[in-house]
Amino acid sequence: AQTVTQSQPEMSVQEAETVTLSCTYDTSESDYYLFWYKQPPSRQMILVIRQEAYKQQNATENRFSVNFQKAAKSFSLKISDSQLGDAAMYFCAYRSENTGTASKLTFGTGTRLQVTL
Amino acid sequence: DTEVTQTPKHLVMGMTNKKSLKCEQHMGHRAMYWYKQKAKKPPELMFVYSYEKLSINESVPSRFSPECPNSSLLNLHLHALQPEDSALYLCASSQGARVNQPQHFGDGTRLSIL
Repeated sequence: AQTVTQSQPEMSVQEAETVTLSCTYDTSESDYYLFWYKQPPSRQMILVIRQEAYKQQNATENRFSVNFQKAAKSFSLKISDSQLGDAAMYFCAYRSENTGTASKLTFGTGTRLQVTL
Repeated sequence: DTEVTQTPKHLVMGMTNKKSLKCEQHMGHRAMYWYKQKAKKPPELMFVYSYEKLSINESVPSRFSPECPNSSLLNLHLHALQPEDSALYLCASSQGARVNQPQHFGDGTRLSIL
């Protein structure tokens, strides 16, 4: 079974600064997808960014980028120019290519990000 | 605004009550999901429907009964719940159940069992 580990329960960043959230995972599969979701106090889970395991190029979405290290099974999220609206719980998630379990998202325990003035 | 709509936003019920949670999407998605999320924990998958058929049941107790009447609607029927069932219940949908199709989540229903 796959596991996802987020070792930072809480992080803090000053507005306009850069912060990196870490995520590691364990899998024996070679093809899979990785995601970062954001959950603000409003409760909705919002997709921030996703990465296909077969792609070597790191995904970017505006101020959000990932550092995907497949051999190390590491998938960190970098938030540049942090804004107050970035404050939320961030979940790293894994999804298998296996058609039998492809529907299942395995989440990490989350990192709560605070953004200070 | 979320494209996946869940009602009600909040629900308080006794252990002997019967209630239902509703989830609706109009994005043409053919896969829909129910998750349970306890405070300060990640969401846990409960059920997956693909093309209106139940494809995954994560060994959920029978007091939770899902129903997918059509491709846009997903219900979760609740009966004889326990206090430990108090949680945020999230619905999600995706274009299909394939791995490269991201899930879109609703705002959730906050359920409290007295």
